[in-house]
Amino acid sequence: DSGVTQTPKHLITATGQRVTLRCSPRSGDLSVYWYQQSLDQGLQFLIQYYNGEERAKGNILERFSAQQFPDLHSELNLSSLELGDSALYFCASSVGDAGLAQETQYFGPGTRLLVL
Amino acid sequence: AQSVTQLDSQVPVFEEAPVELRCNYSSSVSVYLFWYVQYPNQGLQLLLKYLSGSTLVKGINGFEAEFNKSQTSFHLRKPSVHISDTAEYFCAVSAPNFGNEKLTFGTGTRLTIIP
Repeated sequence: DSGVTQTPKHLITATGQRVTLRCSPRSGDLSVYWYQQSLDQGLQFLIQYYNGEERAKGNILERFSAQQFPDLHSELNLSSLELGDSALYFCASSVGDAGLAQETQYFGPGTRLLVL
Repeated sequence: AQSVTQLDSQVPVFEEAPVELRCNYSSSVSVYLFWYVQYPNQGLQLLLKYLSGSTLVKGINGFEAEFNKSQTSFHLRKPSVHISDTAEYFCAVSAPNFGNEKLTFGTGTRLTIIP
């Protein structure tokens, strides 16, 4: 158990809908990262937040947005969903934002999204 | 930009046999290299990482990897595997960037241990 929690575990929805995925980082961790794992794209970094501020951006679509709240939990919002958005969405957390040389990212179990 | 190639999508190995999972990277700058493991229905866990210095890196669960700059490789090895090593293994690369590094992952290698 990494200490990172993600809800829900599974989500089934229809095309065109909007969903919100939630992540609670490990106690004391200030950074949250979101990743998408799909069959065709593999594992991709989406976005990082550090202490409420956006820190780094990867291959995140404009239909997707994220935020980190004062209690440090984070939400990933996916809108106008398409079939291709079906994937496993991981959240990870780390203590700070010193970078990969000094920080270890701890991954949650993921939210499996199925768009029908 | 960096990229990672894991040529073997699946590797079956007998229990207690050695294993090598191959990873090659492409980058025009110096890199950080990582191996992650994903057990069934779980998130990723860091096995080991290479930042600089000694090219042989030891990680958790008896795994080690060797950085080879001339061959742009970072192969993962274990001298004797166990059933519990059945998992998917991901190689990842990042360029050092003052704390703003982003991981680029390979497509993964599924390691299956045969009893």
